[in-house]
Amino acid sequence: DAGVIQSPRHEVTEMGQEVTLRCKPISGHDYLFWYRQTMMRGLELLIYFNNNVPIDDSGMPEDRFSAKMPNASFSTLKIQPSEPRDSAVYFCASRRLAGGTDTQYFGPGTRLTVL
Amino acid sequence: GESVGLHLPTLSVQEGDNSIINCAYSNSASDYFIWYKQESGKGPQFIIDIRSNMDKRQGQRVTVLLNKTVKHLSLQIAATQPGDSAVYFCAEGRGLTGGGNKLTFGTGTQLKVEL
Repeated sequence: DAGVIQSPRHEVTEMGQEVTLRCKPISGHDYLFWYRQTMMRGLELLIYFNNNVPIDDSGMPEDRFSAKMPNASFSTLKIQPSEPRDSAVYFCASRRLAGGTDTQYFGPGTRLTVL
Repeated sequence: GESVGLHLPTLSVQEGDNSIINCAYSNSASDYFIWYKQESGKGPQFIIDIRSNMDKRQGQRVTVLLNKTVKHLSLQIAATQPGDSAVYFCAEGRGLTGGGNKLTFGTGTQLKVEL
């Protein structure tokens, strides 16, 4: 079974540009999480969805960030306009409530560099 | 000015020795704890988890110990191998079964295995 899939793996863009990160969760998982990892702040939860519905977006840094989950197999995290301080590794993770485990499974991440 | 990043504590062990990685958690209401391993350039990988109604859980070569009295979690790795070299994160959560999902991650410990 394929794990969480993220694209692109690396993104380099210029300040002011729109950036879209993509995630495909593990099939059958009903929770999806977006995290950001930086050396300064470690691993931070940005937002999570349950059955495609955003449940908690309190970690989203500001209005420049938005996330959507149009269906159970796809989610996007968009930054518009991007700024150099957005440079980080962005991880998507998914989880299945049923099955007796609370484990979140992480994707490989997207390394974003904003120049 | 110069940015200051997180200074990860480092544990260096000889190949074949046992490793113990410690973590202090902050929320006494947390009822779920999990250890992740993150290799360079990859996403966090699940190692083992434990619920607050247990104080010890064993996996393959790994053991997690939970001391709720002092809010302390440890990960023991038996017969440490070069492939165990990575950053190890503990995470705590509350009310995960039934819908709570927010995991709070520690800053991580760098494990270096010396040959």
